[in-house]
Amino acid sequence: AQKITQTQPGMFVQEKEAVTLDCTYDTSDQSYGLFWYKQPSSGEMIFLIYQGSYDEQNATEGRYSLNFQKARKSANLVISASQLGDSAMYFCAMRPGGNEKLTFGTGTRLTIIP
Amino acid sequence: EAGVAQSPRYKIIEKRQSVAFWCNPISGHATLYWYQQILGQGPKLLIQFQNNGVVDDSQLPKDRFSAERLKGVDSTLKIQPAKLEDSAVYLCASSFNPGTSKTYGYTFGSGTRLTVV
Repeated sequence: AQKITQTQPGMFVQEKEAVTLDCTYDTSDQSYGLFWYKQPSSGEMIFLIYQGSYDEQNATEGRYSLNFQKARKSANLVISASQLGDSAMYFCAMRPGGNEKLTFGTGTRLTIIP
Repeated sequence: EAGVAQSPRYKIIEKRQSVAFWCNPISGHATLYWYQQILGQGPKLLIQFQNNGVVDDSQLPKDRFSAERLKGVDSTLKIQPAKLEDSAVYLCASSFNPGTSKTYGYTFGSGTRLTVV
């Protein structure tokens, strides 16, 4: 079975600063994918970034990067130069290889302070 | 490209009543999912369809929840009778089989917020 752990229930960050959201995972699969989603108060899940277990380089998408440490089973999301619009819930999720369903963590509520 | 459509957006019902949610996935997406997201938690998979067949419904409370996906396109999720603990956001998502995208094009709808009183 897969498990995702997000240990930061909430974070407050000053605007324009960088922020790291933690995510650790547990799986016995060799092939898997890791996702980060943003969920604003409107409720939709917005895809941010993806990392495959066999990807050698850390994924980057604009201001988002994923700090993937496979041996430690961690996949932290880094947001550079945070903006007020980044205030939302952030979820880490995992998809096991050969399956499409996602297992989510409990999320981190990020609040950006002007 | 149109996204995943869900309706209604909000629903308030009394306990023991029934309710139904509708989802229209992205055109061409073979796989459809229903997730339940209780306040303060991450989404939890209720049921996964591949075309019009069920792939995984191990987390679906089958004594009160049912879902169908006729013709492999739209899907409905029903709760009958509803309990207080069913208050949650119900998210629909769809994806396509692995091809050129490692993310499978996984896309969520805006969800239906259900309040049972």
